[in-house]
Amino acid sequence: GAGVSQSPRYKVAKRGQDVALRCDPISGHVSLFWYQQALGQGPEFLTYFQNEAQLDKSGLPSDRFFAERPEGSVSTLKIQRTQQEDSAVYLCASRLSGAYGYTFGSGTRLTVV
Amino acid sequence: AQSVTQPDIHITVSEGASLELRCNYSYGATPYLFWYVQSPGQGLQLLLKYFSGDTLVQGIKGFEAEFKRSQSSFNLRKPSVHWSDAAEYFCAVGGLNTNAGKSTFGDGTTLTVKP
Repeated sequence: GAGVSQSPRYKVAKRGQDVALRCDPISGHVSLFWYQQALGQGPEFLTYFQNEAQLDKSGLPSDRFFAERPEGSVSTLKIQRTQQEDSAVYLCASRLSGAYGYTFGSGTRLTVV
Repeated sequence: AQSVTQPDIHITVSEGASLELRCNYSYGATPYLFWYVQSPGQGLQLLLKYFSGDTLVQGIKGFEAEFKRSQSSFNLRKPSVHWSDAAEYFCAVGGLNTNAGKSTFGDGTTLTVKP
């Protein structure tokens, strides 16, 4: 597609519920990233894929967070047993290679109540 | 560890005035540096990037930034601000390894433009 597409745009989850956030990167972009952006802060790195390989997951805050990209295109970020502190905007970005900056999606705003 | 500091949380300028947003970084090697802009409810859009070569880089929407290694700075400038430039601006630093993933972002500077 022309841009990075994320769905849903908004998600309200009850505490303890599992959620799945989807990212559809630009076609042909090898690298895909997930970032978490809390209110009033810059994006914080969560995890990184190169094709289907998850090369860095050092930013995932707990084992409740899990990401996958099984066929090297669409990625899903899953959060199990959501907590209030998980409330944030989750941004997905893709890039063709390291010589380029990211192209970001519009994000998914997750609110845990 | 890499880090980015944007000292100004909020800046207000009049339309037509010049703009400079400050960014200081910490990185153990030659960095890749980026500026992104984020409008409300939107993702981040890349304004410009520095990898190597000329330390003054030009970007979209009339923005430019200058890399100063001695000051560990990468300040963003625009000679004449338009009302549509009101947004949040993020500076980011990444690694030279083109296969390395993450960039580290500052906490942003919110720009307000007065008519």
